[in-house]
Amino acid sequence: AQKVTQVQTEISVVEKEDVTLDCVYETRDTTYYLFWYKQPPSGELVFLIRRNSFDEQNEISGRYSWNFQKSTSSFNFTITASQVVDSAVYFCALSEAGYGGATNKLIFGTGTLLAVQP
Amino acid sequence: SAVISQKPSRDICQRGTSLTIQCQVDSQVTMMFWYRQQPGQSLTLIATANQGSEATYESGFVIDKFPISRPNLTFSTLTVSNMSPEDSSIYLCSVRREEETQYFGPGTRLLVL
Repeated sequence: AQKVTQVQTEISVVEKEDVTLDCVYETRDTTYYLFWYKQPPSGELVFLIRRNSFDEQNEISGRYSWNFQKSTSSFNFTITASQVVDSAVYFCALSEAGYGGATNKLIFGTGTLLAVQP
Repeated sequence: SAVISQKPSRDICQRGTSLTIQCQVDSQVTMMFWYRQQPGQSLTLIATANQGSEATYESGFVIDKFPISRPNLTFSTLTVSNMSPEDSSIYLCSVRREEETQYFGPGTRLLVL
């Protein structure tokens, strides 16, 4: 069965610090997608990054970077030089690939509340 | 990506009443999804709505409680029926785009008294 675990419930950092959010997943499929979403206090859910199971290349996009390791089933997300506007709940999510036009649902972790103090 | 709007953005309702939430997308999509997020919790999928067919509900959610309409490829509604305080949540719709990525509407905050 699919499962996403975010063990960090809350993280507090001071502005300009780097912060890494951890995510561990379980799936039996060989083809799947991993995502990070941000939910600010306004409640909207904002898509940040996506990785498919065949691409373990880690990338940097602005202040965001991610570390995908299939060997440990982890998909960690790092914010460099954090800012107050980064304060939000961050969700890691997993979706197995849909076949024949089918779409599999997103399985969300429990979320990590990030508080960036000025 | 996708531009998704939801109405209402928030509401306060009395127990026993029903509320219909609307979701509008800026382009045609095959599948739309409805999620519930209870206070302080993660998101849980309620149902998947295909245009022209009955919605597919997840375990624990039933059509009598959460009827869904999908009259065309850009619009869907979710009704929360016979509400109780336990239905107080954020309700979000989403659509699938490239590589299984789902984009979400701004959500509807519901408080049931």
